[in-house]
Amino acid sequence: DTAVSQTPKYLVTQMGNDKSIKCEQNLGHDTMYWYKQDSKKFLKIMFSYNNKELIINETVPNRFSPKSPDKAHLNLHINSLELGDSAVYFCASSQGTSGSMETQYFGPGTRLLVL
Amino acid sequence: KQEVTQIPAALSVPEGENLVLNCSFTDSAIYNLQWFRQDPGKGLTSLLLIQSSQREQTSGRLNASLDKSSGRSTLYIAASQPGDSATYLCAVRDYGQNFVFGPGTRLSVLP
Repeated sequence: DTAVSQTPKYLVTQMGNDKSIKCEQNLGHDTMYWYKQDSKKFLKIMFSYNNKELIINETVPNRFSPKSPDKAHLNLHINSLELGDSAVYFCASSQGTSGSMETQYFGPGTRLLVL
Repeated sequence: KQEVTQIPAALSVPEGENLVLNCSFTDSAIYNLQWFRQDPGKGLTSLLLIQSSQREQTSGRLNASLDKSSGRSTLYIAASQPGDSATYLCAVRDYGQNFVFGPGTRLSVLP
């Protein structure tokens, strides 16, 4: 049973397009995150949601918008895609935001290539 | 601004060896530190989480220590196995719930 799943696994698209990546967790966790891993393998946090409230918002372009329809889902919508958006995007979840509840569980990643 | 570095960048050892991976951070005001492993083409798997008030955590053959005052953490792997081959990343979280990851150490354990 997959704990954190992402769709699609691969996404190839043209510059200027709008795309969404979906994330679902079946762990009953309260907090979900989005990370970007660039070509140099550096991992950076983009957003996190706790009980449908944004609690971290790194300095990412406003072309990126997280949307959480419910506690189990955190989707990432990207407008006007640019070449520099090409990366692997990881979704993660944790039980909470304090103590041992913060152990994070990661999805398999979505590989985005912007042409 | 928090910066996290990891040494070495890559490490190759024969099976059975004990090894130590290092993680350094510039701002000691951290809330916790996590160690992850990442297999090629896969997501991250959390290995150990150390709270700022703790000195170490253990899980099986893994032991992670934390010295906040010196800005260092080490991950000790005992009796390494080929299945331990992966990239190991450390990540620190501050009290503002910002996470900063290190660049990782790529480990190869040779049979």
